[in-house]
Amino acid sequence: EPEVTQTPSHQVTQMGQEVILRCVPISNHLYFYWYRQILGQKVEFLVSFYNNEISEKSEIFDDQFSVERPDGSNFTLKIRSTKLEDSAMYFCASDLQETQYFGPGTRLLVL
Amino acid sequence: QQQVKQSPQSLIVQKGGISIINCAYENTAFDYFPWYQQFPGKGPALLIAIRPDVSEKKEGRFTISFNKSAKQFSLHIMDSQPGDSATYFCAASRMDSSYKLIFGSGTRLLVRP
Repeated sequence: EPEVTQTPSHQVTQMGQEVILRCVPISNHLYFYWYRQILGQKVEFLVSFYNNEISEKSEIFDDQFSVERPDGSNFTLKIRSTKLEDSAMYFCASDLQETQYFGPGTRLLVL
Repeated sequence: QQQVKQSPQSLIVQKGGISIINCAYENTAFDYFPWYQQFPGKGPALLIAIRPDVSEKKEGRFTISFNKSAKQFSLHIMDSQPGDSATYFCAASRMDSSYKLIFGSGTRLLVRP
């Protein structure tokens, strides 16, 4: 069964450093998403991406965040200058119409 | 208006019992209501979903009940098993809002053997 994959599974970084989180969505899916989940809290929407552009973003997704689909298969989330409060689990998801399939997540720890 | 409120925060059920988790929403523009199951260290996995044009949907031991007038929906897990122990999230989305999911706060379910 096709699945969404994410790398790395864990990332530790220093405050102020840039991180890139990578995702490979399911191949025939058209919509791509990033969500985050702070430890013990609910999953929060960050951004949606369709037809090679951002279709919607939340207030969390400020100028420090960017997304890209560089090569037609990968989907990346970049955080330019990480803050302590960026520590969370980041999930990529993709869908064809309405059912979103989530990857296993990247646990980001900012020190 | 974008919130989805979920209760209870945690739930303990004996094996074979019925687990019931409730959610409520405000935005009547929501048109898709999925439930996700999440095990520790894993991503959320779709369990079952419903649209507001039906009042109930059943898949195996899992049933969604939907009350459009009350803006509430619930997940019932029949014959609960220890393997069902996980965190359950309700969510809602709108077709005209890129289908982004608005999640409830989650319910940690523990099924005792």
